[in-house]
Amino acid sequence: EEQLLESGGGLVQPGGSLRLSCAASGFTFTSYAMSWVRQAPGKGLEWVSVINDSGGSTYYADSVKGRFTISRDNSKNTLYLQMKSLRAEDTAIYYCTKGTLWKFDYWGQGILVTVSS
Amino acid sequence: NFMLTQPHSVSESPGKTVTISCTRSSGSIATNSVQWYHQRPGSAPTTVIYEDNQRPSGVPDRFSGSIDSSSNSASLTISGLKTDDEADYYCQSYDNSNHVVFGGGTKLTVL
Repeated sequence: EEQLLESGGGLVQPGGSLRLSCAASGFTFTSYAMSWVRQAPGKGLEWVSVINDSGGSTYYADSVKGRFTISRDNSKNTLYLQMKSLRAEDTAIYYCTKGTLWKFDYWGQGILVTVSS
Repeated sequence: NFMLTQPHSVSESPGKTVTISCTRSSGSIATNSVQWYHQRPGSAPTTVIYEDNQRPSGVPDRFSGSIDSSSNSASLTISGLKTDDEADYYCQSYDNSNHVVFGGGTKLTVL
């Protein structure tokens, strides 16, 4: 059974940093692109970033470009999102997803990131 | 970037059929595939339609997707509505400049 388990969320002050992790199991991790999609409280879905299966290509939403870095460790079946210079508007549930570069076929349960002083 | 516009909410009775639209603001709806996701309150999204009209295994055939180039829109149709279908539904597509876009979401009420 496919599983994506996010961790690393929590409360951080504006301007701070946080690293999210997503542990994958139940499928061949190296065969899929992986993405992060977020959802602010009471709002819709917003794509954040994607990394291809090898880790050689990454893409970002304009709202996070230059502040967030997506990466993956295929030896550990784990996806990461390093977030820096966090702002209040980054407050959201962050979902780890598997799929292709531009489609999301399975979603984790999500992890809450709160940016507040 | 383009936008995907969905109705804020729709409602219909159990057993009936409902269609949720998703209109692309620029660029052809036929150029890049459309996906549909379903999300119940407090839960993660799940895929109900991918590549315009394909159903993942486990999704009942009451769910169908289509695109209409004349209106530059995609549609999700749910027939034989059940109260369990109540959820938020999001369309999603992308462009050739590496941008992924979600629609604003449609709240489906089955009453």
